[in-house]
Amino acid sequence: GAVVSQHPSWVICKSGTSVKIECRSLDFQATTMFWYRQFPKQSLMLMATSNEGSKATYEQGVEKDKFLINHASLTLSTLTVTSAHPEDSSFYICSASRGQGSYEQYFGPGTRLTVT
Amino acid sequence: GENVEQHPSTLSVQEGDSAVIKCTYSDSASNYFPWYKQELGKRPQLIIDIRSNVGEKKDQRIAVTLNKTAKHFSLHITETQPEDSAVYFCAGFVVDTDKLIFGTGTRLQVFP
Repeated sequence: GAVVSQHPSWVICKSGTSVKIECRSLDFQATTMFWYRQFPKQSLMLMATSNEGSKATYEQGVEKDKFLINHASLTLSTLTVTSAHPEDSSFYICSASRGQGSYEQYFGPGTRLTVT
Repeated sequence: GENVEQHPSTLSVQEGDSAVIKCTYSDSASNYFPWYKQELGKRPQLIIDIRSNVGEKKDQRIAVTLNKTAKHFSLHITETQPEDSAVYFCAGFVVDTDKLIFGTGTRLQVFP
């Protein structure tokens, strides 16, 4: 159990366009989902935390109007990168948690975004 | 907020030798410390974790130790094998926020 999927696994888009990434918990209800960004040879940096049915909480320095997060159900969260630029090219990884006080996070396989 | 530091950034060992990676954390409220192994282009994979009420935990060739007073924890891999080569990340879990804060990573290379 505790499987998390992401779609797409990779995407190439043109500068100025928007891209949506989906994160799904397949066999459990994810009260909380997290979005990370990982640049080459760097660590995972938390971008935002989303709880089902409420607004996402963004980490300092992450533009909420650029990275739109929606957590509309207990099994789906989406990240939309709006007006993408080449510097947004990165590996985006989501994780899902069963909720309050639940330690373990289950990671999706990641989405590699390339903006040309 | 929580800050997790990790050393070394790279580590090369001969097959069969041991490898040790160390992390320190800043927030005394952190109470759960997982270790992840990440291969290139893949998701982080949980390999072992420890909670703050435990000083040591072992799973076959992998062990983790925690010193709450000093706020540091370490990953120990014994009898390393080439397939252990990967990037390893430690993390601290802050209970009030449910967030995981990751260390900077250690690239482990095991030479046959």
